[in-house]
Amino acid sequence: KAGVTQTPRYLIKTRGQQVTLSCSPISGHRSVSWYQQTPGQGLQFLFEYFSETQRNKGNFPGRFSGRQFSNSRSEMNVSTLELGDSALYLCASSGGLAGEEQYFGPGTRLTVT
Amino acid sequence: GESVGLHLPTLSVQEGDNSIINCAYSNSASDYFIWYKQESGKGPQFIIDIRSNMDKRQGQRVTVLLNKTVKHLSLQIAATQPGDSAVYFCAESHPGGYQKVTFGTGTKLQVIP
Repeated sequence: KAGVTQTPRYLIKTRGQQVTLSCSPISGHRSVSWYQQTPGQGLQFLFEYFSETQRNKGNFPGRFSGRQFSNSRSEMNVSTLELGDSALYLCASSGGLAGEEQYFGPGTRLTVT
Repeated sequence: GESVGLHLPTLSVQEGDNSIINCAYSNSASDYFIWYKQESGKGPQFIIDIRSNMDKRQGQRVTVLLNKTVKHLSLQIAATQPGDSAVYFCAESHPGGYQKVTFGTGTKLQVIP
């Protein structure tokens, strides 16, 4: 069974630009969650999508958005990039039940210059 | 607000010894706790979990202890091996939070050969 895949793995963007990251969950998984990981703030929950609906949301500004497609693949978008958005963005998939194990992808390393 | 914190940022252990990684949480409503291992360049990997109706759970070479009275969680690794070197995160979620997981800051485990 293929694991969670994320594309691209590395990305360099300039302040003010926008970026779209993609996550393909494990086959059969309907929940995709996104996390931001930085040395200073650690792993922080961005949002979770289940069956194309945002089910949970963290405390990030509206510049961070996401969506999920009917095949459960998910994208997250960050608009008007800031230097502080440089981070490792991780997605995790699961069946979606409360307390169910999440499987993480390798992440997308975003650098904003 | 919710917070999950770790007591020690770095732990050095001799190969073959037992490791104990501690974690404190503040949300009394948390009912599900997870330990993750993250190796360099990879996403977090599930190690073991425990629900709030238990105080101990054992896996292969790992044991998680939960003390709800003092809101404390620990991960014990028996016979620590070089492959155990990684950053370990505790995490929690609560009813209704589905896949919204709050992570601790992480403890780096260094195994000395």
